[in-house]
Amino acid sequence: EDKVVQSPLSLVVHEGDTVTLNCSYEVTNFRSLLWYKQEKKAPTFLFMLTSSGIEKKSGRLSSILDKKELFSILNITATQTGDSAVYLCAGHSGGSNYKLTFGKGTLLTVNP
Amino acid sequence: GAVVSQHPSWVICKSGTSVKIECRSLDFQATTMFWYRQFPKQSLMLMATSNEGSKATYEQGVEKDKFLINHASLTLSTLTVTSAHPEDSSFYICSARRDTRLGNSPLHFGNGTRLTVT
Repeated sequence: EDKVVQSPLSLVVHEGDTVTLNCSYEVTNFRSLLWYKQEKKAPTFLFMLTSSGIEKKSGRLSSILDKKELFSILNITATQTGDSAVYLCAGHSGGSNYKLTFGKGTLLTVNP
Repeated sequence: GAVVSQHPSWVICKSGTSVKIECRSLDFQATTMFWYRQFPKQSLMLMATSNEGSKATYEQGVEKDKFLINHASLTLSTLTVTSAHPEDSSFYICSARRDTRLGNSPLHFGNGTRLTVT
């Protein structure tokens, strides 16, 4: 059974701090690793990673994948209160059926 | 961008009634759409995969007669919760991905439907 584990489950920081969120995965026929941000409603797409060692960056957020260690991290620098959310990691298994297995998420709280 | 619209955003219904939730891909075609369920402080659990023009594929433990899925066009999938009970109260989220030749586009989610069964 596919499994995605995120750590920590929750994190409280102050504005301006840098945070690193972790995601390990065991996914059959692995195709890609995706990161989403979920505030009050549905998740919004952040990154999709398919290759090891290539950092993807969007503003203060960046992410990288290690396919050998089955691991990904999401970094947020200079955090702002608007970064407060649940960050979800999902493993995409390929094959005939497209399937995403989600981790439980990391609840990030950024205090002013 | 890829926009997925879900309606209604919240619904309250009485036990025993049925509720229909719509999911539309607004600016792209989606042969496949996905229905997730999320309990408070839990992750998203895939319920079923909706396939345009054919039967949905349900995950283990999901009752197909209770959660009816119809995917009649390349931009619309519906989930009907039949004979709803209080334990069906949850946050239901649909998602879709743009049809691409390589099949590697990310999922985009609707805003979810908060269902409360009284």
